[in-house]
Amino acid sequence: QKEVEQDPGPLSVPEGAIVSLNCTYSNSAFQYFMWYRQYSRKGPELLMYTYSSGNKEDGRFTAQVDKSSKYISLFIRDSQPSDSATYLCAMSGGGYALNFGKGTSLLVTP
Amino acid sequence: SQTIHQWPATLVQPVGSPLSLECTVEGTSNPNLYWYRQAAGRGLQLLFYSVGIGQISSEVPQNLSASRPQDRQFILSSKKLLLSDSGFYLCAWSSVKDTQYFGPGTRLTVL
Repeated sequence: QKEVEQDPGPLSVPEGAIVSLNCTYSNSAFQYFMWYRQYSRKGPELLMYTYSSGNKEDGRFTAQVDKSSKYISLFIRDSQPSDSATYLCAMSGGGYALNFGKGTSLLVTP
Repeated sequence: SQTIHQWPATLVQPVGSPLSLECTVEGTSNPNLYWYRQAAGRGLQLLFYSVGIGQISSEVPQNLSASRPQDRQFILSSKKLLLSDSGFYLCAWSSVKDTQYFGPGTRLTVL
């Protein structure tokens, strides 16, 4: 079993929809959780960072962590065509290595 | 603000040729530096990280090596490239262990 599982998609939604992106993980030592957005042929851009369980909101983005279920989510409200990208979850237990999901491809259609 | 640079942006190399990719960070001191490879369908793989000049930790045994000759410079090298070395190489930096910021990447094709 891989440490971080993420559905690759693609996920296609109409503009204005609420998008839900998810990752599951197996290592209970993970405490730091991140979401990155990666446009085609570009480097990943840090979107959200969360420590331990709970919610964090930043504009149209909300990150949720449920450590009891080993499940993290990223919600995008009022999705825009510019949100079309690959979204990568990442997590760590405090060491130098981040454990990444393989990414979910999102397409927001006008 | 901090900025991370990588070059070249794109590289096409024959099998068996050497490789040198460079990464520099501006606007911060003593960053942790990382080299990742992103291959299609395989996600991001950490290759090397460095917590200081001359200090290199390898995560995956392979024909690649890394060096950190200056505080904000990180170099990825190979003496002889393999077809399997093709991919998107990303440099990242962090001031603490967990929050990493990525550069624009180098797309390497080995023919």
